[in-house]
Amino acid sequence: QVQLQESGPGLVKPSETLSLTCTVSGGSISSYYWSWIRQPPGRGLEWIGYIYHSGTINYNPSLKSRVTISVDTSKNKFSLKLNSVTVADTAVYYCARGLAVGPGWFDPWGQGTLVTVSP
Amino acid sequence: DIQMTQSPSSLSASVGDRVTITCRASQSISSHLNWYQQKAGKAPKLVIYGASSLQGGVPSRFSGSGSGTDFTLTISSLQPEDFATYYCQQSYGTPRTFGQGTKVEIK
Repeated sequence: QVQLQESGPGLVKPSETLSLTCTVSGGSISSYYWSWIRQPPGRGLEWIGYIYHSGTINYNPSLKSRVTISVDTSKNKFSLKLNSVTVADTAVYYCARGLAVGPGWFDPWGQGTLVTVSP
Repeated sequence: DIQMTQSPSSLSASVGDRVTITCRASQSISSHLNWYQQKAGKAPKLVIYGASSLQGGVPSRFSGSGSGTDFTLTISSLQPEDFATYYCQQSYGTPRTFGQGTKVEIK
C-alpha cells in the first residue's frame, strides 16, 4: 500500500525559504495528484497545492506568489518550497495523494511534519 | 473560494449514541464532498468520499449524505475510538477548502 513521508527542517527563520520533501513508497508517483496541505497549531486544514504526475500544477491563490511544488519521478518524490516565510506559516505540513479528477479527495496522508518559523 | 461551515463545532455524546455532523457549502458543490477523521497528533484519515461513499476499511457505522449545499456525516452508534475531530472538504472548486472541524468528545 502507498505510504508517504515528509522530511525537511523543523525550524526556519522569518524571510527564509521553507523546503520539504515527500517520499512516496509502495507505489509509483507517475499518476495521481500529489498535494501539500498544512495545519497551523490548534487550527484547521489549508490546501496549499498539487502537482499532477504530468507536471500540471495548481496552487492556492492565497499562497501562489510564494509557493513552488515540483516532482522527481525518478526518485518517487515531490517537494514544496515556500519563500519569504513569516510566523503565520508555522504549521504541521502534510503531503497527500489526491484521487479522482481535480483532485477530489486525499488519501493517504503522510504523518506530517511540524515547521516552526522563528528567529 | 467556496466556504465550508460545519456545525456544531464540538459535541459530547455517549457510547452507543447516534451522532450527526453537518457541513454547509457557500454554493452548490453537487456531491463533491469528502469527510476526514483526525485523531490528536495524527494525520487526517479519509472516511467518506463523494458525499456518501464509504472509504475501504472504515466501519459501516459511518455514513454520509447530502448534495448541493447541505451534507451530513452520521455515526450510527458511537464507539470510544471515534473520539476525534471531523472535517469536511469540498472538491468542486479551486482552491480545495475544508470546514473548520467538529470535535467529538465521549461523555
